[in-house]
Formats: sequence, C-alpha cells, structure tokens
Amino acid sequence: AQSVAQPEDQVNVAEGNPLTVKCTYSVSGNPYLFWYVQYPNRGLQFLLKYITGDNLVKGSYGFEAEFNKSQTSFHLKKPSALVSDSALYFCAVRGLEYGNKLVFGAGTILRVKS
Amino acid sequence: DTGVSQDPRHKITKRGQNVTFRCDPISEHNRLYWYRQTLGQGPEFLTYFQNEAQLEKSRLLSDRFSAERPKGSFSTLEIQRTEQGDSAMYLCASSLQTHYEAFFGQGTRLTVV
Repeated sequence: AQSVAQPEDQVNVAEGNPLTVKCTYSVSGNPYLFWYVQYPNRGLQFLLKYITGDNLVKGSYGFEAEFNKSQTSFHLKKPSALVSDSALYFCAVRGLEYGNKLVFGAGTILRVKS
Repeated sequence: DTGVSQDPRHKITKRGQNVTFRCDPISEHNRLYWYRQTLGQGPEFLTYFQNEAQLEKSRLLSDRFSAERPKGSFSTLEIQRTEQGDSAMYLCASSLQTHYEAFFGQGTRLTVV
C-alpha cells in the first residue's frame, strides 16, 4: 500500500538559515508527490508537486523539493527561512494504482526563530 | 473568493445528533474530496466524487456517514448519530480531472459533546 513517512515531528531553524523538511514514501510504480502547508485553524495550501521530469521542483514562497527515486525521498527545502514560514507541513503521495486519493504523512511542525 | 468554501466553519453538537456540512468547490473543478483530520495527524481520506458520481469510499466511512454531490456542484457530508470520536476537522478539496493537486477549503471543525 502507498504510504508517506515524515520522520521529524518538529524542525527548528534560525531565520536566514536553510531549512529541510524530510519525507519518504512507499508506492508501487511511479509516484506523484506533493507538499502542503497548514497554518493554525486553516485548510491546507498547496506548495509544489512532482509528477515527472526534473528531480528538483520549485513551488510557492521560495520552496523547492528534490525527488530522489533511489532513496524514495521527496525532501522540502528553502535556502533562507523566514519566521513566517513557521507552520505545519505535510507530504502526500498519490499512486495511480490506488485511485485518485492523496495519502498524507503525519506532518512536521516547522519553527523558524528570529 | 474563488477558492473552496466550507460551511459552517465550526459546529458543536450533542452526541447522538445529526450534522450536515457543505462544501462548494472551485467552479470548474469536477473532482471533489472529503478528508478528516484529527489533532496531530495528517488528513485521512474519506470519499471522493467525479462530477456527481461517488467513486470511492474509505473504510473509515461508517454507515453513519453519507456524502452527496447532486448535479456535480456543491457537496454535503452528513454524520448521523454523532459520537465523540467524530470530533475532528472535516476538510473538503477539489481538483481538475487533468491536474493532480487538490485545493483545500478551510475546513469545518466538529466538536461532539
């Protein structure tokens, strides 16, 4: 079955430093991978996706993610963190053989301190 | 606002009562999804529609839960005989058939007392 793991419950980073939020996945066949961000009492906002093509994908708010097929990973990155990036981040995977649903990880809290 | 909208934003109900939530998707999107999210967890898939057809239901969706999408536009999610375990955030999302990302509404937070 398809699944997503976010190994870190929380990531702390200083403002201006690079950040990485980790995600690994398990799915048969080609994966379709997504990152979403959730602010308190809000719905999920789409950040970026990997479907095919370049392993480095760029998304909203300066975020990017690197797809690594051999390591089955899709880590979220940003070169310089902002305090306003503090939020809950979810990685999600969709495998075509499992229909159209997105399967989400448990989420990682990102705290950026000034 | 052309995003996904959900109503109500908050609902407090007594155990045993029925509740109904509404979702209005982005107008050109023909796929609509319902998810449930509890504190500290990622969203869990409940069901999805393509136009008016309900194509998949999760095993999480007990007989007390029913969803409809008449005419392929807005959708409703009804929970009958609510239980305390139903307390959660209920999220609706929509997408274009030919695209892969889903866009989420702000959710309906249900508290069963």
